[in-house]
Amino acid sequence: QKEVEQNSGPLSVPEGAIASLNCTYSDRGSQSFFWYRQYSGKSPELIMSIYSNGDKEDGRFTAQLNKASQYVSLLIRDSQPSDSATYLCASSGGGADGLTFGKGTHLIIQP
Amino acid sequence: DAGVIQSPRHEVTEMGQEVTLRCKPISGHNSLFWYRQTMMRGLELLIYFNNNVPIDDSGMPEDRFSAKMPNASFSTLKIQPSEPRDSAVYFCASSRQGSSANEKLFFGSGTQLSVL
Repeated sequence: QKEVEQNSGPLSVPEGAIASLNCTYSDRGSQSFFWYRQYSGKSPELIMSIYSNGDKEDGRFTAQLNKASQYVSLLIRDSQPSDSATYLCASSGGGADGLTFGKGTHLIIQP
Repeated sequence: DAGVIQSPRHEVTEMGQEVTLRCKPISGHNSLFWYRQTMMRGLELLIYFNNNVPIDDSGMPEDRFSAKMPNASFSTLKIQPSEPRDSAVYFCASSRQGSSANEKLFFGSGTQLSVL
């Protein structure tokens, strides 16, 4: 069974620091990886996608993928209180497959 | 675009009653997904459709759950009869699927279901 594992947190980070979120996945056939942000009472919204080993940067966000270790991470630089949310890691086998989500990490940015 | 539209936003019902959740995907998207979210189990994929055809319903918990997609702009998820353990947030999501890597999912606002 495909599984995506995340530390549930809460992860507390001071404002302006780097927040580091991690996830591992069980299915070696997974090809696509995503990070979603979910505010309390809201729906998940996509913030990053990554398909190849290495780093991918978008503004303050950097996604990292290591397929050999089956490991995905998300770095948030210059953390802001508005970054406080639950971050969901997801994987997919590609094609028309659905996404498998982790349970999420609750991130708190302390002003 | 209005995004993925779900109704109702909140549903409170009594055990044994039939519940129908509705979803209108983003125009032009050819894949539709139904997810359920609880604190204990997180986001679980229940079923997904590609070009209105159910592809994988292995996540549907029991025969009490059924889903249909009669056309490209409408889908329903029905629970009959409902039970208290069905209480959760149900999300519908859509995407534009190609032949390569999975396209990103756009989620609706969800339906908060409470079965008393």
